[in-house]
Amino acid sequence: QAVLSQPSSLSASPGASASLTCTLRSGINVDTYMIYWYQQKPGSPPQYLLTYKSDSDKQRGSGVPSRFSGSKDASANAGILLISGLQSEDEADYYCMIWHNNAVVFGGGTKLTVL
Amino acid sequence: QVHLVESGGGVVQPGRSLRLSCAASGFTFRSYGMHWVRQAPGKGLEWVAVIWHSGKVEFYADSVKGRFIISRDNSKNTLYMQMDSLRAEDTALYYCARDPGAGGAMDVWGQGTTVTVSS
Repeated sequence: QAVLSQPSSLSASPGASASLTCTLRSGINVDTYMIYWYQQKPGSPPQYLLTYKSDSDKQRGSGVPSRFSGSKDASANAGILLISGLQSEDEADYYCMIWHNNAVVFGGGTKLTVL
Repeated sequence: QVHLVESGGGVVQPGRSLRLSCAASGFTFRSYGMHWVRQAPGKGLEWVAVIWHSGKVEFYADSVKGRFIISRDNSKNTLYMQMDSLRAEDTALYYCARDPGAGGAMDVWGQGTTVTVSS
């Protein structure tokens, strides 16, 4: 079982909200981890979006709109990237990341389609 | 302006070696941890290695441990990745990325350099 699991794809309409999940493997407690989120558009390197551990320990990257926010669902052992007021420019691949046992782990990525 | 520029990629036969470089500018290089992350064609991101700002601490992905060595020259503002015993599965676009927190986010990324391992 992968350390981080993300749905491979998600579709949403312009103006709506999209909730992208990043589920941690059983036995790895989401509460203890910083979750990092990145956006990657075709032909471009990833861009850092935000970090979320708790409502009191979070950070958005420089220039990242407030439409992007992080949260956690402890019952699902998952980190969540919420994008509100979807725009066509939000269509991209989104990756979550954690530090685990002195190594970086990326989720497999979610392709978000805005249509 | 903060910039990371990778170089050194190319086509190489299996079992051979290659050294990648990442030239940094626009920030105090010696104060930041640095990563290599790769992306195989059409695939997701795979972390490769990290080196702390001092150069004294390194960590590697299991897939490259014992074959790749990350290093840095803070006097030249440059990050390196020595890649030995290359395999077909090492074929990817290799990015370098900056880490302000020594175990935190990768807040700046280069454009990448392509490595193709093929006979």
